[in-house]
Amino acid sequence: GAGVSQSPRYKVAKRGQDVALRCDPISGHVSLFWYQQALGQGPEFLTYFQNEAQLDKSGLPSDRFFAERPEGSVSTLKIQRTQQEDSAVYLCASSLNRAGYTFGSGTRLTVV
Amino acid sequence: QKEVEQNSGPLSVPEGAIASLNCTYSDRGSQSFFWYRQYSGKSPELIMSIYSNGDKEDGRFTAQLNKASQYVSLLIRDSQPSDSATYLCAVGRAQKLVFGQGTRLTINP
Repeated sequence: GAGVSQSPRYKVAKRGQDVALRCDPISGHVSLFWYQQALGQGPEFLTYFQNEAQLDKSGLPSDRFFAERPEGSVSTLKIQRTQQEDSAVYLCASSLNRAGYTFGSGTRLTVV
Repeated sequence: QKEVEQNSGPLSVPEGAIASLNCTYSDRGSQSFFWYRQYSGKSPELIMSIYSNGDKEDGRFTAQLNKASQYVSLLIRDSQPSDSATYLCAVGRAQKLVFGQGTRLTINP
């Protein structure tokens, strides 16, 4: 596609509910990244894929967070048993090389 | 100490003036540096990248890098109200980017 597509755009979850956030990167971009952005803060790295391989998941805050990219294109970030502190904007980005990322519009998650 | 530090602002600049945004980083081995602009409620948009010491100009934007001082800056000439946004400095580390908290810039007509 022309840009990085994320869905849903907004998600309200009750505390304890599981959520799944989807990212469809730019066609041909082998690198895919997930970031978490809290209000008033810069994006914080969560995890990175090169094709289907998850090469770095050092930023995932707990074992409730899980990401996958089984066919090297679309990726899903799953959060189990959501907590209020998980409320944030989740940004997906893709990259062809090290010249900088293209971000998607993000998913704003609110846990109530 | 955060890896990438920016003054959160807000920074207020009159229309037509030069806006100067600053960023320091802690990893002396960093090789790639980026400035992103983020409008309220929108995703970050890449506006400049710089890899070598010195200045890099693109239209009204100039990025400046001083690796010895571990300092990156962004100058916006002839500031316009449409430049009002949060500016994020990012430093490349392996494949990922480490972001500062951003500086909120307001251009006053």
